[in-house]
Amino acid sequence: RKEVEQDPGPFNVPEGATVAFNCTYSNSASQSFFWYRQDCRKEPKLLMSVYSSGNEDGRFTAQLNRASQYISLLIRDSKLSDSATYLCVVNVFNDMRFGAGTRLTVKP
Amino acid sequence: NAGVTQTPKFRILKIGQSMTLQCAQDMNHNYMYWYRQDPGMGLKLIYYSVGAGITDKGEVPNGYNVSRSTTEDFPLRLELAAPSQTSVYFCASSLVGLGSSGQETQYFGPGTRLLVL
Repeated sequence: RKEVEQDPGPFNVPEGATVAFNCTYSNSASQSFFWYRQDCRKEPKLLMSVYSSGNEDGRFTAQLNRASQYISLLIRDSKLSDSATYLCVVNVFNDMRFGAGTRLTVKP
Repeated sequence: NAGVTQTPKFRILKIGQSMTLQCAQDMNHNYMYWYRQDPGMGLKLIYYSVGAGITDKGEVPNGYNVSRSTTEDFPLRLELAAPSQTSVYFCASSLVGLGSSGQETQYFGPGTRLLVL
């Protein structure tokens, strides 16, 4: 089993749609959690950290369920500029483990 | 600030050749990392450094070497290139170390695409 698993997609949604991505991780001792965004042929960039209490940044909401070892990212009111690959990242004993990413395409 | 810079952007190597991938950061970050990303896969950590003179292996270190003589630079060396090393290599840096409760934002360079034939 992979340490960090994501649905690869692709998710094709119209502008204005709400879309949710899921991620599961295998190591219960994981310490911290993140969502990164990666545009085609570009470097990853931090989108947001994920905290146990859940956190929101504008149109983006991240949730963490430690009991189920599950992380989610919700994007509301999708924009064309949200088209990218979203990487779930888990810190396992001071080693960042990246999921393979979920690809999102937002269409006009 | 230029952030994290990497050179070259793209390189083709023949099997058995060697090369050094350069990485530099001007943010005065102590922590630096090298990752590789294969098509359709997540990034995998090759080596990391917590400060000048200190390096340690990550998940996939075989076939690579690193050094950290200054805070700014963290070169990655491939001694005997193999087709399995065809990948995109990303260097990253962070102000705080991993395990800092979600504050350990990593800043990535633009990547080096390496093709070994």
